[in-house]
Parts: sequence; C-alpha cells; structure tokens
Amino acid sequence: DTGVSQDPRHKITKRGQNVTFRCDPISEHNRLYWYRQTLGQGPEFLTYFQNEAQLEKSRLLSDRFSAERPKGSFSTLEIQRTEQGDSAMYLCASSLGDRAYNEQFFGPGTRLTVL
Amino acid sequence: SQQGEEDPQALSIQEGENATMNCSYKTSINNLQWYRQNSGRGLVHLILIRSNEREKHSGRLRVTLDTSKKSSSLLITASRAADTASYFCATVNYGQNFVFGPGTRLSVLP
Repeated sequence: DTGVSQDPRHKITKRGQNVTFRCDPISEHNRLYWYRQTLGQGPEFLTYFQNEAQLEKSRLLSDRFSAERPKGSFSTLEIQRTEQGDSAMYLCASSLGDRAYNEQFFGPGTRLTVL
Repeated sequence: SQQGEEDPQALSIQEGENATMNCSYKTSINNLQWYRQNSGRGLVHLILIRSNEREKHSGRLRVTLDTSKKSSSLLITASRAADTASYFCATVNYGQNFVFGPGTRLSVLP
C-alpha cells in the first residue's frame, strides 16, 4: 500500500500520560501536515513540514505538543501530560510541491481517548 | 471563525435523488477543494476547482465556484447509499494551509 499510513489507529491513555503517534507519508511527498478533528467538526490544522523543516504551527498546538520529521520522511506527533480535551482524531496528510495548493492525501487517522 | 462553512449541516435524501451542499468562505482563495470522509476514516479528495474556474465535473460530481459571492456548491447526481458520508470544503488561500469547514453530513437512504 503506497498511501499515507498512521500508527497506532487507536490509543487509549490515562490523563497525564505521554503519547506518540507516527505518520508515514507517500514516499515522494515533501509536505506533511498534522490535523486534529473532533466529533462533528472538520479537521483543524496543527502544523506542517516541508521536508524536515517545520514551517508553521497553529495556536492550537500548545507547548505540550511537539512534532518532528527528522529525515524528511516519517513524522511523529507527541503529546505530553495528556488532558481529556486532547481526545480527538489526529489526522496526517501529505502532498507534493512547494505550495499548499495541491491535493492532500490523508491517512486513516489515530483516534486518541484520554480517560 | 472557520474560513469554509458548509450548508446544510445535515442532509437526508433517497437513493437516486440529487444532493446539493454549499460552502461559503471569507477571504481570497487560490483554489477550493471538496473532500469526503466516511465515518471514522481519513478524508478522500474529490475535486479541486481553481479560483479562475467557474464549474468542474468529475463523474457524478459537479462543483461550481462563484468568487464574487465567495461560495461554492457540490452537486452529487443520482446518489447511492455508498455516498453516505461527511463532505468538507477546504479553502486554500495564498498562504500555506488548508482551512476546512465543519462539513455536511449526507445520508442516502435506500
């Protein structure tokens, strides 16, 4: 399968624990995006990378959130000291090109539940 | 507030009928894209319309764009039960990011 993959698909954790999600984009795609989606809402932009450089972060991304894309391929999103409000679907998407104008290809998402 | 706002929030139709959903936005855009999301899944790109285009077709999908009214519509003709999903418009301005609306939840009843 050459699409965007995310791991894990589901994560249940207790409040205060740290969690890390992984995204593997389509191999030739240089742009990688992270979004958060809550029930009944559209995806909200969190951050994006062009190759290994993190070029923008949303105000939604508090200092408990950190994302990396060390070699310009896969990316990780870590949430420290999780809170119940972090419960959501975390979506990763990738695209090809230097602008945000092109189609984004989404992964299946990681559903996080914080108890 | 969100750049893209879909209308209606929910739509229920019978199989074979046409479904129309609308998207309004606030700022200048480079293009507007429609995505579909089946329950609990990632988003799938449907169609992209550029700011200098007024209408675009893809199979049973027809998208229009009116930049003077800052609005777009997505028409699905001859709907099928498999079209049941949430539909989102995403506006892409001259910045760097997509902005998604809250979506229209379409139910196609057999």
